[in-house]
Amino acid sequence: AQTVTQSQPEMSVQEAETVTLSCTYDTSENNYYLFWYKQPPSRQMILVIRQEAYKQQNATENRFSVNFQKAAKSFSLKISDSQLGDTAMYFCAFMPPNTGNQFYFGTGTSLTVIP
Amino acid sequence: DTAVSQTPKYLVTQMGNDKSIKCEQNLGHDTMYWYKQDSKKFLKIMFSYNNKELIINETVPNRFSPKSPDKAHLNLHINSLELGDSAVYFCASSPRGSGVLEQYFGPGTRLTVT
Repeated sequence: AQTVTQSQPEMSVQEAETVTLSCTYDTSENNYYLFWYKQPPSRQMILVIRQEAYKQQNATENRFSVNFQKAAKSFSLKISDSQLGDTAMYFCAFMPPNTGNQFYFGTGTSLTVIP
Repeated sequence: DTAVSQTPKYLVTQMGNDKSIKCEQNLGHDTMYWYKQDSKKFLKIMFSYNNKELIINETVPNRFSPKSPDKAHLNLHINSLELGDSAVYFCASSPRGSGVLEQYFGPGTRLTVT
């Protein structure tokens, strides 16, 4: 079974500071995909960043970067220079191969950016 | 232009009623999904369709019946609504066979059963 664990239900960070959200997953697969999605109060699910397991280089998207540790099955999200608009629920998602693009989501981390 | 749209965005109904939620995507994607997000924000896949064919059907009561008239639409019909069906339902879509595998989500439908 594929499981995704986000051990931090809630986090807060001062505006302009850096915060790291953790995610671990359990799989016996070698090739898979990982994603971070953001869900602001508007409820819309927005893709933040994605990582292919076969790529050793960590993905980055502007202020968002990941620390992908394949052996440890860890996929943390770092948000630099936090902004008020980053306040949202953040979901880690795992997609194994050959499952019809099925996603397994973690339970989410609620991030609050404090002005 | 909205990529993945859902109607209605809010739905309040009484127990025992039958209701439908519609989903449409204009991205040309082959695969569409329905997710349920409960009060604790947990997101769980319900169904997945690829080119109008059911490919994922998680353990969902048979009161829930997805219908895909074409690959751009995946509607969700719910019979005999129960209090526990109250949740936010998300439709999503993704391409297939390309290097882009992320899912694009609709705005969600908040269903409240009273």
